[in-house]
Amino acid sequence: KAGVTQTPRYLIKTRGQQVTLSCSPISGHRSVSWYQQTPGQGLQFLFEYFSETQRNKGNFPGRFSGRQFSNSRSEMNVSTLELGDSALYLCASSAPGQGHTIYFGEGSWLTVV
Amino acid sequence: AQSVAQPEDQVNVAEGNPLTVKCTYSVSGNPYLFWYVQYPNRGLQFLLKYITGDNLVKGSYGFEAEFNKSQTSFHLKKPSALVSDSALYFCAVANSGAGSYQLTFGKGTKLSVIP
Repeated sequence: KAGVTQTPRYLIKTRGQQVTLSCSPISGHRSVSWYQQTPGQGLQFLFEYFSETQRNKGNFPGRFSGRQFSNSRSEMNVSTLELGDSALYLCASSAPGQGHTIYFGEGSWLTVV
Repeated sequence: AQSVAQPEDQVNVAEGNPLTVKCTYSVSGNPYLFWYVQYPNRGLQFLLKYITGDNLVKGSYGFEAEFNKSQTSFHLKKPSALVSDSALYFCAVANSGAGSYQLTFGKGTKLSVIP
């Protein structure tokens, strides 16, 4: 079974631009969550989607948004990029009955210049 | 609110020696506890979890963890460390009663196994 797939793996954006990151969950998984990882703040929860509905949201500004499609694939968008948004963005998927276990993709490295 | 503390930023251990990476947690209700490992420039890999039952949980690559409810701890252990175990280790907690699969992670502990 294929794992969680994230695209693109690396990208460089300029301040003020926007970016969209994509995530394909493990087949059969309906929950997709996003995390931001930085050296200073560690791993921080962004949001979680289940069956196309946002089920939970972390403490991030409204510039960070996401959505989930009917095939469980998910995208997250960051608008008006700031230098501090430079981070590794990790997507994870999960399925009911697995005790909240989430499985991560390789991440998307975003550099804002 | 839930939280995880990993008191050591770095742990150094000689190859072949036992290793322990410490984790304490705080959560309302019954906890689900996890350990993940991250190699450089990679995502997080699931190692093991505690949901209920036996306090000693066995996971991938020879790792195990011991759940201690009274001390609210979930330390990661391995009897004999390998150089290839060198990586960043994260402890995480979830509230078993929550409808969301949100995990709260510790800051991570860098494990260095010295040949």
